[in-house]
Amino acid sequence: DVKVTQSSRYLVKRTGEKVFLECVQDMDHENMFWYRQDPGLGLRLIYFSYDVKMKEKGDIPEGYSVSREKKERFSLILESASTNQTSMYLCASSRDREAFFGQGTRLTVV
Amino acid sequence: LAKTTQPISMDSYEGQEVNITCSHNNIATNDYITWYQQFPSQGPRFIIQGYKTKVTNEVASLFIPADRKSSTLSLPRVSLSDTAVYYCLVGDIKGKLIFGQGTTLQVKP
Repeated sequence: DVKVTQSSRYLVKRTGEKVFLECVQDMDHENMFWYRQDPGLGLRLIYFSYDVKMKEKGDIPEGYSVSREKKERFSLILESASTNQTSMYLCASSRDREAFFGQGTRLTVV
Repeated sequence: LAKTTQPISMDSYEGQEVNITCSHNNIATNDYITWYQQFPSQGPRFIIQGYKTKVTNEVASLFIPADRKSSTLSLPRVSLSDTAVYYCLVGDIKGKLIFGQGTTLQVKP
C-alpha cells in the first residue's frame, strides 16, 4: 500500500518561529509537492520538486522554502512563521500525474 | 500550464448521473486531463485521467471532445458518499499539478 507520511497532524507555533514540516514517501516517486488549503481557496501549490535537490516555485512560495536532500523526503520550511500561514498543509508525491497525499498538517500560528 | 474553469458547486440526488464539465481552452498538445476527488479532512484522491475521446474505470467516465478544450467527468448513479470536491487538472508529462477551487458536489437523499 502506497504511503505518504507527514510528521505531524496538528502543530501550534508562535509568530516568528522557524517551522519545519516533514514529508516522507515510500513509493520511489520523483515528484513531490507541498500545498496549503484554506476555505474557499482550494489547494494552492507552494513548491514542487521533480528530483533530489531540484525544486520549482508554485503559486504562493513567499514566506516558504523547501529542501529535498533525499528522494523520499521533502521538507517545507517557514523561515519566520506568521499568523497568515495558519492553514492545512498537504504533501503529495506522484508519478505520471497520479498523486498520493499525506494526511495533512493543520498548523496554527499564534 | 493550462488554466481550468469549472463550476463552483453542483447539487444532485441519489441515483442520478452527475456530469461535471471543465473548460481548458489553452490546453497544450502534450497535456493530459486528470480528475481528483477530495472528502473533508482528507487529501485529494486520483479518479481518472485521459488524453482524448473517452476513458472509463470502475469509478467514473471521462469524455474529451476532439478539440480537447473541455472535458466532462461523469459519475453514474451517485450516492451520498459521492459528496465531495472534484478537481480538474491539466498538465504535461513533467508532472506539476495545479489544483483550482474545484467543484463542490452535494448529493441529497
